[in-house]
Amino acid sequence: RKEVEQDPGPFNVPEGATVAFNCTYSNSASQSFFWYRQDCRKEPKLLMSVYSSGNEDGRFTAQLNRASQYISLLIRDSKLSDSATYLCVVNEDTGRRALTFGSGTRLQVQP
Amino acid sequence: EPEVTQTPSHQVTQMGQEVILRCVPISNHLYFYWYRQILGQKVEFLVSFYNNEISEKSEIFDDQFSVERPDGSNFTLKIRSTKLEDSAMYFCASRGGDTVYSNQPQHFGDGTRLSIL
Repeated sequence: RKEVEQDPGPFNVPEGATVAFNCTYSNSASQSFFWYRQDCRKEPKLLMSVYSSGNEDGRFTAQLNRASQYISLLIRDSKLSDSATYLCVVNEDTGRRALTFGSGTRLQVQP
Repeated sequence: EPEVTQTPSHQVTQMGQEVILRCVPISNHLYFYWYRQILGQKVEFLVSFYNNEISEKSEIFDDQFSVERPDGSNFTLKIRSTKLEDSAMYFCASRGGDTVYSNQPQHFGDGTRLSIL
């Protein structure tokens, strides 16, 4: 069964902390990778795509290790507004391009 | 910024009734999707749609479900005879890109909460 697995957390961190989330995926043919964030009872919102060489967007850094089938997200200088569930999302190479979601990692940033 | 819009935001329906969920994808997008999320669970793929036909569907998308693009803007999901277990948040998504293999991300609407009584 094709899966995307994440530590559900919660991760409770103080403001200003650096926090890292990891994700593994089982389908080695997966082609595209994303991190979405989801606030309680809201829609998933794209945080960033994840590229093979790794990429950074402000305080957020994403890494991909295809050999280990592992994706990571690093958040530096955490803000209260970063509190959310972070969804690891994979686009498998099945031709249908539907997204496969992890269960999400919950982050709570505390003052 | 263009966005995917969904109506209604909340639908309460008696078991066995038909329900239609509506979505307006981003205007220049060609690939459309429906997902659902049961409370406390992960987001699950239902169906993808391109060029006026279903591209792929999951095992959840059985004969009770159908999708349609009745005009140039709306994309609908119909559940023919609702069951209690259909209660969930339903998300519509759309994607740009020239081909089915594009790596463009999908953009989600804010969802319809469906409650079956």
